[in-house]
Amino acid sequence: GESVGLHLPTLSVQEGDNSIINCAYSNSASDYFIWYKQESGKGPQFIIDIRSNMDKRQGQRVTVLLNKTVKHLSLQIAATQPGDSAVYFCAETLSPGSNYKLTFGKGTLLTVNP
Amino acid sequence: DAGVIQSPRHEVTEMGQEVTLRCKPISGHNSLFWYRQTMMRGLELLIYFNNNVPIDDSGMPEDRFSAKMPNASFSTLKIQPSEPRDSAVYFCASSLTGGRGEQYFGPGTRLTVT
Repeated sequence: GESVGLHLPTLSVQEGDNSIINCAYSNSASDYFIWYKQESGKGPQFIIDIRSNMDKRQGQRVTVLLNKTVKHLSLQIAATQPGDSAVYFCAETLSPGSNYKLTFGKGTLLTVNP
Repeated sequence: DAGVIQSPRHEVTEMGQEVTLRCKPISGHNSLFWYRQTMMRGLELLIYFNNNVPIDDSGMPEDRFSAKMPNASFSTLKIQPSEPRDSAVYFCASSLTGGRGEQYFGPGTRLTVT
């Protein structure tokens, strides 16, 4: 979930398990959402996106779920691997393709134990 | 294709000095974003440009910060004079109008002001 104060939420899983990372977004008018992955020492990298007219979208080993009623977004990673260890950010924006600014959550640190 | 290019990757400077960070967006992208990332505040948008024009600079902390985009392939973020509280990782990102809204991030510049 979203962090409060200085602490970054953390999730620790065993290799091969499924991971679920949650995000509560702030703006009910947001209609486009993105999950980013940031590895240590690197910039955020796009994982998957979803528009507000969908409630689920699947990619390779990842699934994003959107619940607009409670303004909640989740990222599910199947068969988590050590290479998935990173900080994961959700981001929201008002419209895709209009270059509206992204508002990022505080991030969740995922640690995958071998 | 080269991604977003930032320089320098690391910068250490003394308080009061001028700092200039540089960014080359992905060729063909016409929106450019400057972000600052700290543990305290997470990822914050400082300013973004569309077609080389600043659209929203409401995130720029104060007059010590300035950003320019003289052409489609180059942008600078300048801090003068720098202060220790400016220490952070600064990311540049670019995107394409009409696209999905996905922003491509550079590797960042880690700035340390002593």
